[in-house]
Amino acid sequence: SQQGEEDPQALSIQEGENATMNCSYKTSINNLQWYRQNSGRGLVHLILIRSNEREKHSGRLRVTLDTSKKSSSLLITASRAADTASYFCATDDRRNRDDKIIFGKGTRLHILP
Amino acid sequence: DAGVIQSPRHEVTEMGQEVTLRCKPISGHNSLFWYRQTMMRGLELLIYFNNNVPIDDSGMPEDRFSAKMPNASFSTLKIQPSEPRDSAVYFCASSLDQGQQETIYFGEGSWLTVV
Repeated sequence: SQQGEEDPQALSIQEGENATMNCSYKTSINNLQWYRQNSGRGLVHLILIRSNEREKHSGRLRVTLDTSKKSSSLLITASRAADTASYFCATDDRRNRDDKIIFGKGTRLHILP
Repeated sequence: DAGVIQSPRHEVTEMGQEVTLRCKPISGHNSLFWYRQTMMRGLELLIYFNNNVPIDDSGMPEDRFSAKMPNASFSTLKIQPSEPRDSAVYFCASSLDQGQQETIYFGEGSWLTVV
């Protein structure tokens, strides 16, 4: 099934460093979203980038989208301990006229103090 | 808004018992999703509704699973009979359908353990 795949599966960095996570997907999309999940909680929406956009910013977050490579990246600048969480990309399928959204398996980010 | 509300938050049940998970979506949202999350399989879409109608249930694992949405403010996911491999976190989520993919709002999940 069409699905985003995050890379790496796990990432540990020192507080203050930048964290970069990547997502690859298989089919044409309308939009791509990034979500965050703290341990034991539900997913929280971070940012949405549309297929005609190449880059988007929100605070310390920067998302890029390369539709030719079917890939996206999420950059968190100046990481903080509170950024420790799992991060997921989510995509639709442009071939479908529905709201079905599929999530990848996520990147577990650990910020070291 | 209170967000997506799920109940129960935690349930431990014996194999063979019926489990019913409940969800109240955000008021005004017309798409509702049920996801299951495990370490092995990640976040799987089980079924989703639009305007209370099931649109895609291809992710429902087997006949033991069923989902209903009798009205715009309530949905249930039922497992009967439950099995230990059903142990997972079940998330309900909702979104405002505006003709294209929109932000999905998740509940806090129902943590199910079948022993």
